[in-house]
Amino acid sequence: AQTVTQSQPEMSVQEAETVTLSCTYDTSENNYYLFWYKQPPSRQMILVIRQEAYKQQNATENRFSVNFQKAAKSFSLKISDSQLGDTAMYFCAFMIRGGYQKVTFGIGTKLQVIP
Amino acid sequence: EPEVTQTPSHQVTQMGQEVILRCVPISNHLYFYWYRQILGQKVEFLVSFYNNEISEKSEIFDDQFSVERPDGSNFTLKIRSTKLEDSAMYFCASREGLAGGSDTQYFGPGTRLTVL
Repeated sequence: AQTVTQSQPEMSVQEAETVTLSCTYDTSENNYYLFWYKQPPSRQMILVIRQEAYKQQNATENRFSVNFQKAAKSFSLKISDSQLGDTAMYFCAFMIRGGYQKVTFGIGTKLQVIP
Repeated sequence: EPEVTQTPSHQVTQMGQEVILRCVPISNHLYFYWYRQILGQKVEFLVSFYNNEISEKSEIFDDQFSVERPDGSNFTLKIRSTKLEDSAMYFCASREGLAGGSDTQYFGPGTRLTVL
């Protein structure tokens, strides 16, 4: 079974600063995806960024980037130039590639961007 | 951009009543999912659905739950006799699933179910 661990229940960052959210996971699989989803107060689940495990290059999406360390089973999210709209719960998630695989979520990190 | 939609956004029901939560997945997607999130907790997988049948279900998905794709567009979750502990946010998700296509699951905005 796969597990996803987020050890930071809450974090805060000043507007325009950079923040890093941590995530570790455990799996015996070799072919999988990792995701960061954002859940604002509206509670909608929004995909922020995706990483394929077979790719060594870290994924980036505008102000969002990841540090994927496959051997260490670590997948952190860096948010640069934080904006007030980044205030949300952030969930790290895992999915085995292929088939009808489900997504396994971490417990989440609540990020507050302070003006 | 295509998106997953869910109705209603909020459903209030009495304990013991049946509820049906509705989802319209992205049109060319082949795999469909339901997840739930009890307030303050992590999102949990309930069931996956492919080719008009359940492909996997969690231990949460007991006989009180059922899913159906009644036509070419809707995907529904039915709870036969609701309990207080069924109060949660229910998310529908869909995935393209074509060879060489995206494996990303796209989530709907959720239905907040409140059981009184």
